[in-house]
Amino acid sequence: EVKKEESGGIVIQPGRSLTLPCANLGFKFGDFALTWVRQAPGKGLEWIAFRRSDNFGAITEYAASVRGRFSVVRDDSRNIAQLQMNDLKTEDTAIYYCITGPDYDVLTVTWGQGTLVTVRS
Amino acid sequence: VLTQSPSASASLGASVKLTCTLSSGHARYSIAWHRQRPEKGPQYLLKVNGDGTHKKGDGVPERFSGSSSGAERHLTISSLQSEDEADYYCQTWDTGMVFGGGTRLSVL
Repeated sequence: EVKKEESGGIVIQPGRSLTLPCANLGFKFGDFALTWVRQAPGKGLEWIAFRRSDNFGAITEYAASVRGRFSVVRDDSRNIAQLQMNDLKTEDTAIYYCITGPDYDVLTVTWGQGTLVTVRS
Repeated sequence: VLTQSPSASASLGASVKLTCTLSSGHARYSIAWHRQRPEKGPQYLLKVNGDGTHKKGDGVPERFSGSSSGAERHLTISSLQSEDEADYYCQTWDTGMVFGGGTRLSVL
């Protein structure tokens, strides 16, 4: 079961799947790379996923902590970007941020609003 | 890959220089600086290249600047304001994004 809290956060049980939309898309992002970053409560920033645009080869990279469980879903023709999270664990509890930046300069980014995901029984 | 001091402090109205140190083999890398105010999401500040040039984000005040010295990348904030009290993270790219551990800046 997935519960949405009034604050906009999501509560979900371990082992389940969740799709997070990237809410940072106010433009056509055909030449923009997507990066997903998370921040566990009281911790620093952790990069978890990266995907270049189709125009730049659609190169995808994942952090070891989520590789094989998380995937970036992207459809440039429809301006859709999502993070598909499978087999969620309690240690995945964090605020998740989608950030965008031009493929030619992936360090100059725009941060999206974060979504708190709490994984608990 | 990226090392930051856990904390720093400076007085209101003064200047402070934060440092992000790149590990051996990465000394020429560019990095980005981000600010995260308490209970807020991060904000991109600027990118610093190995040659010391920097590129600010839209709306970032003039009192924020970047510089470089060897494997060190710096963020200098002048005329410190109370709103500058925040966590500052550096970031680079190395077959995936990498973040430093962050520096918590206190404005006294």
